[in-house]
Amino acid sequence: EAEVAQSPRYKITEKSQAVAFWCDPISGHATLYWYRQILGQGPELLVQFQDESVVDDSQLPKDRFSAERLKGVDSTLKIQPAELGDSAMYLCASSPEVGTEAFFGQGTRLTVV
Amino acid sequence: QKEVEQNSGPLSVPEGAIASLNCTYSDRGSQSFFWYRQYSGKSPELIMSIYSNGDKEDGRFTAQLNKASQYVSLLIRDSQPSDSATYLCAVGRFQKLVFGTGTRLLVSP
Repeated sequence: EAEVAQSPRYKITEKSQAVAFWCDPISGHATLYWYRQILGQGPELLVQFQDESVVDDSQLPKDRFSAERLKGVDSTLKIQPAELGDSAMYLCASSPEVGTEAFFGQGTRLTVV
Repeated sequence: QKEVEQNSGPLSVPEGAIASLNCTYSDRGSQSFFWYRQYSGKSPELIMSIYSNGDKEDGRFTAQLNKASQYVSLLIRDSQPSDSATYLCAVGRFQKLVFGTGTRLLVSP
């Protein structure tokens, strides 16, 4: 069964360090989402791609976060420098097209110390 | 007003009962509606999608959509302890997929 792949599963980093997350969506899925989920809250969209283009990054803290999907397939989300408040689950999801079902990867649990 | 609202719960039901989870949304232009189940420490798992008014059934799950009232619900029949999780409502509007904060369901044996 096709799945969204994410790595790493867990990451512990010191504040002010750089950290990067990787996502490989389900093959053929044009839409890719990065969400951040803080414990007890719903997922909040950080950035959305349609193929290689950013559709929505209005909630991405651009002073420290960046995201790319260069060839319209896999994607990388980077944080530099990490802050204590960045500790959260980072979820990648993909869907065949905008407005249809989104499928999530297993997520990356980030702890900033 | 939040775009997607859910009661955080917990909603407690005994095993075998029907669990009813509710979600309201603010934008009348919303076009697609989804229910996800999320176990503690895990990522959300899609369980139902609904796009038009009415009911949609899949096994023990029934999704209900009322666009006039901007309301979507999820019924879980014959609830099992394994159904204990947080249920997230997600609403698609324009190019965005917006999540509620989730309702925690507890099914007691």
